[in-house]
Amino acid sequence: QVTLKESGPVLVKPTETLTLTCTVSGFSLSNDRMGVNWIRQPPGKALEWLAHIFSNDEKSYSTSLKSRLTISKETSKSQVVLTMTNMDPVDTATYYCARMIWRSGELSSSYYFDYWGQGTLVTVSS
Amino acid sequence: DIQMTQSPSSLSASVGDRVTITCQASQDISNYLNWYQQKPGRAPKVLIYDASNLETGVPSRFSGSGSGTDFTFTISNLQPEDLATYYCQRYDNFPTFTFGPGTKVDIK
Repeated sequence: QVTLKESGPVLVKPTETLTLTCTVSGFSLSNDRMGVNWIRQPPGKALEWLAHIFSNDEKSYSTSLKSRLTISKETSKSQVVLTMTNMDPVDTATYYCARMIWRSGELSSSYYFDYWGQGTLVTVSS
Repeated sequence: DIQMTQSPSSLSASVGDRVTITCQASQDISNYLNWYQQKPGRAPKVLIYDASNLETGVPSRFSGSGSGTDFTFTISNLQPEDLATYYCQRYDNFPTFTFGPGTKVDIK
């Protein structure tokens, strides 16, 4: 059974650094057909993709937030960590981690998020 | 940067209705588009990948079509449990992803 669970602080102060951990089970972070992504959703607003890490440690980031984000993984612990620096009240959101699956077809490859964590609400306030 | 739009932003329909949502990209993204359903207070769930492929276990009343810049998501026989917000997601620039702004579906 595949599960992902986010953990981290529920409240951070402006200018602080947020560290979130995604602990996965039911699959390995070394599986070459899978990756883990972070997505956030401010209250009442749309989903926003943040970062991705693949099994080979390939990483990618949202262009608009790239300077503030770092994603890493510890395969032996089945954990993916996201740090976001210089937090601001506009960063208040539910933060999700999600597994990305890679399906290879005859002509191209498919990538989508097939399992998600429950999300964790992070509030930025002094 | 490729922009994604969805229309309508919200709709209200009756049980049994056929509901159609569109997602438009500002440039050609081939079929690199997925659709997700997010029920209130829940994490999103993938319904359609690669524009038209139904994810395993998803009811057949959900379908998707399109390629290039214009995509359609359809619920053929709206059910009460389909109350949710639906998002398209492009990945033509993998390994980056972008979600559309979402369409909220209410049941009359």
